[in-house]
Amino acid sequence: DAGITQSPRHKVTETGTPVTLRCHQTENHRYMYWYRQDPGHGLRLIHYSYGVKDTDKGEVSDGYSVSRSKTEDFLLTLESATSSQTSVYFCAISGVTGSEQYFGPGTRLTVT
Amino acid sequence: TQLLEQSPQFLSIQEGENLTVYCNSSSVFSSLQWYRQEPGEGPVLLVTVVTGGEVKKLKRLTFQFGDARKDSSLHITAAQPGDTGLYLCALLFTGGFKTIFGAGTRLFVKA
Repeated sequence: DAGITQSPRHKVTETGTPVTLRCHQTENHRYMYWYRQDPGHGLRLIHYSYGVKDTDKGEVSDGYSVSRSKTEDFLLTLESATSSQTSVYFCAISGVTGSEQYFGPGTRLTVT
Repeated sequence: TQLLEQSPQFLSIQEGENLTVYCNSSSVFSSLQWYRQEPGEGPVLLVTVVTGGEVKKLKRLTFQFGDARKDSSLHITAAQPGDTGLYLCALLFTGGFKTIFGAGTRLFVKA
């Protein structure tokens, strides 16, 4: 199994509060991704990173920001959480070819 | 409108039965991937298909890429309870590092 951890694994927060999710990898892979998974929508890309301090938006980036200060860590921040951001969030990594993504175990976030 | 349409959305079958699930798009794929996701875990890559008409086998799973590269199917022979999960197809964009996923087919195999 690829060395990917996500923290926290579960979180309940209130509307309007900031939330940061962390993804940590031990594989030294260049590319890292954040997805959200909702029933009927599959996995949707929020943001991705192609190197330290190099990030770009995915298809559902509104309301989210990311940072990557080290190869091994990719942070996803919800500046002011809303109920529509209740979801399961997955981090993924891939190597130079990008052809195979390895996923973390997910973080279940509930915004009340 | 989803770029990738998967069908059926849900399938419940008895152990030992065969099944086929589908992934379709109005666009031509450069390459397509199938992932399986078990409850409470992240998806795991099963196969990548890149050539029109390509068929790949993985034990009891057979993956086919349509000749026109706009559709793909996954056939499972003699399904087992361990096959239970969410099957996702994914479009890999040229350049490699962006992937678009379909909504998935949720399979439940009853013992």
